[in-house]
Amino acid sequence: DAGVIQSPRHEVTEMGQEVTLRCKPISGHNSLFWYRQTMMRGLELLIYFNNNVPIDDSGMPEDRFSAKMPNASFSTLKIQPSEPRDSAVYFCASRPGSSSYEQYFGPGTRLTVT
Amino acid sequence: AQSVSQHNHHVILSEAASLELGCNYSYGGTVNLFWYVQYPGQHLQLLLKYFSGDPLVKGIKGFEAEFIKSKFSFNLRKPSVQWSDTAEYFCAVSGGSYIPTFGRGTSLIVHP
Repeated sequence: DAGVIQSPRHEVTEMGQEVTLRCKPISGHNSLFWYRQTMMRGLELLIYFNNNVPIDDSGMPEDRFSAKMPNASFSTLKIQPSEPRDSAVYFCASRPGSSSYEQYFGPGTRLTVT
Repeated sequence: AQSVSQHNHHVILSEAASLELGCNYSYGGTVNLFWYVQYPGQHLQLLLKYFSGDPLVKGIKGFEAEFIKSKFSFNLRKPSVQWSDTAEYFCAVSGGSYIPTFGRGTSLIVHP
């Protein structure tokens, strides 16, 4: 299995531009998580999907952030418009379903907004 | 609500020293506990996990952790660290919400 796949691995964009991050979870996993990691705030959960349905999006910073999971094998995290404070590493993780299983993290997308 | 506290934010050791990283959680029910490691520039990977049974859990690369229910703790240990253990270590707890909560992480630097 290829593991969780994220693209792009690096993204540099200017303030105000739209950014779309992509994630392909491990086949058969029905839970998907988006995290943001920064030095200041550590690892923050942004949103959690179960069976493609958003269950908890309380961690999404503001309306500029949106996430979708149109099917079991694909999810996107969109930032529009982007701001310099959005610069971070964004991780996607998937899990078979039950909380008794560990999460499998993707390689992350390093976003820099100038 | 569940929460996790990692007391050591930065730890610096010499090779062959023993390691213990503290992790305390708060949750009144049954919990699943995890330790993840993040090597420089990489993603988080599972070191070990506890679901039930023997409270002493063995993980990869010589790491182990002990679940002490009375202390709400799940400390990570390694008897002799190596330079390659330099990484960020995260404790996580998953209780009734099914959403894991991560600690802030502990940065470990091992000098050769």
